[in-house]
Amino acid sequence: LAKTTQPISMDSYEGQEVNITCSHNNIATNDYITWYQQFPSQGPRFIIQGYKTKVTNEVASLFIPADRKSSTLSLPRVSLSDTAVYYCLLSNNLFFGTGTRLTVIP
Amino acid sequence: DGGITQSPKYLFRKEGQNVTLSCEQNLNHDAMYWYRQDPGQGLRLIYYSQIVNDFQKGDIAEGYSVSREKKESFPLTVTSAQKNPTAFYLCASSTRTGTVNTEAFFGQGTRLTVV
Repeated sequence: LAKTTQPISMDSYEGQEVNITCSHNNIATNDYITWYQQFPSQGPRFIIQGYKTKVTNEVASLFIPADRKSSTLSLPRVSLSDTAVYYCLLSNNLFFGTGTRLTVIP
Repeated sequence: DGGITQSPKYLFRKEGQNVTLSCEQNLNHDAMYWYRQDPGQGLRLIYYSQIVNDFQKGDIAEGYSVSREKKESFPLTVTSAQKNPTAFYLCASSTRTGTVNTEAFFGQGTRLTVV
């Protein structure tokens, strides 16, 4: 099963836009790309999902290039409450991996 | 309300004892999963089930056992063979993987401590 690769950690100042990139070179034709957010001592929760091009909701945007071998989660104007671990997954499996630990600095 | 429920929230176990963690969902999902999370680490898949009476080992199944007798329930037993069972355990459910718009819903987790 195809797996994903993400940076282990990122820091950002409050109010900035944050972009987290995920690599998935072996993505299957029928895979969707899904991002989750996890706070300490809680289960992950769904943020956004997409197949190609761009998807936007009230929380984030997801950019997927034409070859679909990577994707970028964009969080606009982050706040301290966005400090969490972010996971990128493919829909053909639920392999979470280590995710990206985002720390928002005041 | 639809959702996924894990119990208990905190669990203490003596070394050498088996313990069973409960996971129930009323989302009518076919697939259910168990993950283990250690401090500062990501989620590691223990077992998953795509349909009743069938389940598959994940990456770290040794020392654990599961059953899937009902669609709504997927209990996890941590056996005495698990050498380092202290961890945060998360249960999830979803439509079957490989289908469009698979989204996992998680319970609140069970924190198991071996004393």
